Amino acid sequence: DAKTTQPTSMDCAEGRAANLPCNHSTISGNEYVYWYRQIHSQGPQYIIHGLKNNETNEMASLIITEDRKSSTLILPHATLRDTAVYYCIGVNYGGSQGNLIFGKGTKLSVKP
Amino acid sequence: DTGVSQDPRHKITKRGQNVTFRCDPISEHNRLYWYRQTLGQGPEFLTYFQNEAQLEKSRLLSDRFSAERPKGSFSTLEIQRTEQGDSAMYLCASSLKEGVRGYTFGSGTRLTVV
Repeated sequence: DAKTTQPTSMDCAEGRAANLPCNHSTISGNEYVYWYRQIHSQGPQYIIHGLKNNETNEMASLIITEDRKSSTLILPHATLRDTAVYYCIGVNYGGSQGNLIFGKGTKLSVKP
Repeated sequence: DTGVSQDPRHKITKRGQNVTFRCDPISEHNRLYWYRQTLGQGPEFLTYFQNEAQLEKSRLLSDRFSAERPKGSFSTLEIQRTEQGDSAMYLCASSLKEGVRGYTFGSGTRLTVV
């Protein structure tokens, strides 16, 4: 799976948009970009995933650059409950079992 | 859909003892995964099942670890002769085949070996 790099930590003011970057310069053409988050003392929670096109769901938006070397997860109106560690993961379903390989993620702190 | 359940939530054991954890996945999910997470690190893959077949084991899964999913439903993870280095959060997740729509994780079992 593609190696991803993320900032160690970020702060965001409550009510503002949180933009979490991820670099995945070694991603191959058939590797998806997945985002999960982990709130303290809970298991990771799936947020969103994409391949080439931008994606939006009820939780977030995912913007993938045209060269697919980086992406940004956008939480449009961050709340205190969005404080968590956010993981960006590259996943290849081409022939593997598709298990997730987590890095250390970005610790997002949403402040009042 | 009650999500992925793990039992117990917390376990404290003495070094050298055996422990067993249970995971109940979402009923229609045919894939089940075990991960381990230590403080400050992301979860690390241990093993996964498709139905009752264990299809992959990580190098992290030493001989003291064994996982089963006997009827393709719940799974157990046993650690024999526990060591202090086994102290971690053990996470279970399930998914439909290949997890294209994401994995659903349980809240984990926190193991402390004293």
